[in-house]
Amino acid sequence: GDSVTQMEGPVTLSEEAFLTINCTYTATGYPSLFWYVQYPGEGLQLLLKATKADDKGSNKGFEATYRKETTSFHLEKGSVQVSDSAVYFCAQYSSASKIIFGSGTRLSIRP
Amino acid sequence: KAGVTQTPRYLIKTRGQQVTLSCSPISGHRSVSWYQQTPGQGLQFLFEYFSETQRNKGNFPGRFSGRQFSNSRSEMNVSTLELGDSALYLCASSLGLAVATDTQYFGPGTRLTVL
Repeated sequence: GDSVTQMEGPVTLSEEAFLTINCTYTATGYPSLFWYVQYPGEGLQLLLKATKADDKGSNKGFEATYRKETTSFHLEKGSVQVSDSAVYFCAQYSSASKIIFGSGTRLSIRP
Repeated sequence: KAGVTQTPRYLIKTRGQQVTLSCSPISGHRSVSWYQQTPGQGLQFLFEYFSETQRNKGNFPGRFSGRQFSNSRSEMNVSTLELGDSALYLCASSLGLAVATDTQYFGPGTRLTVL
């Protein structure tokens, strides 16, 4: 069935470090892909999305490219800040017409 | 524009009781989806309502049910509560027209604890 697998955390980085959080998916067809972020005590917020192969989603310095050949949608940011500390979820809109989330990756940034 | 609101924010119940959670979507949004978030199972889709009709459903037992009113507000009900129902229940709203690409806006969640 459709699924999303993402890099397990927690991930701890120093401020201004480069961030990559890996995400791969299995799906029937070509699903829309999403990254959501959950800050402490809050609900999820859409960070970025891509709806077809080779699309690049970007927001707040984060980027992710929809790679059909590797079925991946890795999240990257060139220089992280303390305020980026949160839990990040990769997700797909599946063929069963529902959003499937990965397990989440907790990111902590040290000043 | 006001965001998605959920009430109550926190709830404590005992096993066997039932509970009703409420979600008010963003004005103009006609789709409301519900999710359960637990440390063990992560985020799981419960169901989606659009124009007062359940449009999609996840793999949860019949104890979990929901409904949507004509003003798009939604409620979910869990009957005969079990310890394993302790979770953060998130509601999300969207326009509901292009489901594969719609942006879902999430509420802050209702934290349910079952004792």
